[in-house]
Formats: sequence, structure tokens, C-alpha cells
Amino acid sequence: EPEVTQTPSHQVTQMGQEVILRCVPISNHLYFYWYRQILGQKVEFLVSFYNNEISEKSEIFDDQFSVERPDGSNFTLKIRSTKLEDSAMYFCASSETTKQFFGPGTRLTVL
Amino acid sequence: EDKVVQSPLSLVVHEGDTVTLNCSYEVTNFRSLLWYKQEKKAPTFLFMLTSSGIEKKSGRLSSILDKKELFSILNITATQTGDSAVYLCAVVPTSGTYKYIFGTGTRLKVLA
Repeated sequence: EPEVTQTPSHQVTQMGQEVILRCVPISNHLYFYWYRQILGQKVEFLVSFYNNEISEKSEIFDDQFSVERPDGSNFTLKIRSTKLEDSAMYFCASSETTKQFFGPGTRLTVL
Repeated sequence: EDKVVQSPLSLVVHEGDTVTLNCSYEVTNFRSLLWYKQEKKAPTFLFMLTSSGIEKKSGRLSSILDKKELFSILNITATQTGDSAVYLCAVVPTSGTYKYIFGTGTRLKVLA
């Protein structure tokens, strides 16, 4: 069964550094998403992407964040100048319509 | 503001027990409600509910939606230790894309 993959599984970075989280969505899906889950809190929507552009973003998704689909398969989330509060699990998801398939997540730790 | 509330926050039961997990929501322009199971990492799909009163079943799990009272329940009968997980409820509004609004989840622990 096709699945969403994410790399790396765990990323440790220093405050102020830039990180890129990578995702390979399911190949025939049209919608791509990033969510985050801070430890002990609920899963929060960050951004959705369709037709090579951002279709919706949350208040969390400020100028520090950007997304890109650099080729036909990858979908990336870039966080510029990371802060301590960016430490969280970041999930990528993809869908044809409503039902989303989630990747295993990248745990980001900002020191 | 759109909101999804799950209860209880956590639950400990013994194998063979039946559990009912609750999800209530306040969403402008409701599209669907989905249930996911989250074990170690990635949430995995359980059910998608769009219409009131139609029960969805998969083995020992079942779920139903009440769009008048704005809630859904997830039932698990004859629980097993493998059912131990966090169960997430997510609501999808019609506005915008198919983004999910998640509840806090219910952490279920099934003891042998």
C-alpha cells in the first residue's frame, strides 16, 4: 500500500539555524499538508498546498516558514531561524480529497 | 472559532471491556468528521463520517455522527491490548481546503 514518507525521523538543531523537513507524498495525491504536534498538545494545522501553491495557512505559519515542491515527488517545509518553541513533531500528509494519509513525522528538537 | 473537544482525555480499561470515546465540535460549515488511531507516530485512518445516523463499522470498532447535536462517538468492543493508542477526532470544514481541525485526543490504555 502506498504511504507517505518523511525524512529525517529526528532532527536536532541550534536555535537560529535553518532546517528543511522533507516529505514524499503519495504519488497520485493532489493536496499536501503540514501539521505539527508540540509534546503533550494537539495536532495543529500549519499549511495546505495545491496546484503548486499555498492554498491555506494557519496563524502559526508566519514568515519564518515556507513550503516548496521542488520536483515531482518531494514536498518540503523550511523553518528559517528556528526558535525553542519550534520543537515539535512535524507531520506531512497528502490526500486526493478529504481522507488524508499521514507520514511518520519528523521530531524537531531546537536547543 | 472552530473547535473540537474530545472526552475523556484518558482511559484505562481491561481487556474485554467496551469503551466509548466522544468527540464534540463547533465548526462553521461542516464537511466531514474523521477518526484516526495514533500509536507510535503516524495517525492511521479509522473512519470518515459525513451523514448523521449512519453507523460505520470495522471489526470491533464502530462510529456514528449526530450533526444535530454536533458530536460523534467511537465504540470499541472486546478491547485488546493492541487497541492501546491515542484516538484522534478531526473535523473538516467546507471552507478552504481539506485541512483538519483536531481534538486533543483520547489516550486509551488496555490492560491485559
